Amino acid sequence: GENVEQHPSTLSVQEGDSAVIKCTYSDSASNYFPWYKQELGKRPQLIIDIRSNVGEKKDQRIAVTLNKTAKHFSLHITETQPEDSAVYFCAAIFYGQNFVFGPGTRLSVLP
Amino acid sequence: DTEVTQTPKHLVMGMTNKKSLKCEQHMGHRAMYWYKQKAKKPPELMFVYSYEKLSINESVPSRFSPECPNSSLLNLHLHALQPEDSALYLCASSPSEGTNTEAFFGQGTRLTVV
Repeated sequence: GENVEQHPSTLSVQEGDSAVIKCTYSDSASNYFPWYKQELGKRPQLIIDIRSNVGEKKDQRIAVTLNKTAKHFSLHITETQPEDSAVYFCAAIFYGQNFVFGPGTRLSVLP
Repeated sequence: DTEVTQTPKHLVMGMTNKKSLKCEQHMGHRAMYWYKQKAKKPPELMFVYSYEKLSINESVPSRFSPECPNSSLLNLHLHALQPEDSALYLCASSPSEGTNTEAFFGQGTRLTVV
């Protein structure tokens, strides 16, 4: 079945440092990989996404890399700030419509 | 309008009650989803509607009954729920099946079954 793994489950970094979260997926046919940020009590919100025809995408302090051969993708946050503290979910889309989420990473940015 | 609106925001119901959750979007999206999210867990897919037809039912118990009256609305009818059904219920929409684009989430309904 569809499966998305995510590591680490928790991550603490000092403000200004970088944070990296890694995900792997099971279905080689998946071709869309979004990352969602969810603050406590709020909805998941898309922060960046990547499609399988691209190896890397960057948006200011956030970047995502994709290795289709290895079936893994990573989120990179540089110059972290306290407001980056949240739970981050990677996801992969299966059969063109079924979003399956990774188990999440709780990121804490320490001032 | 890039919002997915869910009502109510909070709901407390007894195990014998019947209630409905509502979701609305006016972005012209043709795929709509119900997810269930327990504390400290990722959203778990329950149902997918594509062009107002149920296309995925992830083995959800029949006490949850989805309905898509039109392309903008999605309901989830609840009946005879159990305390373990208490969770955040998230609605989402995306342009259509197969376009591999962002799913927009509503703010969720926090359901407590007593």
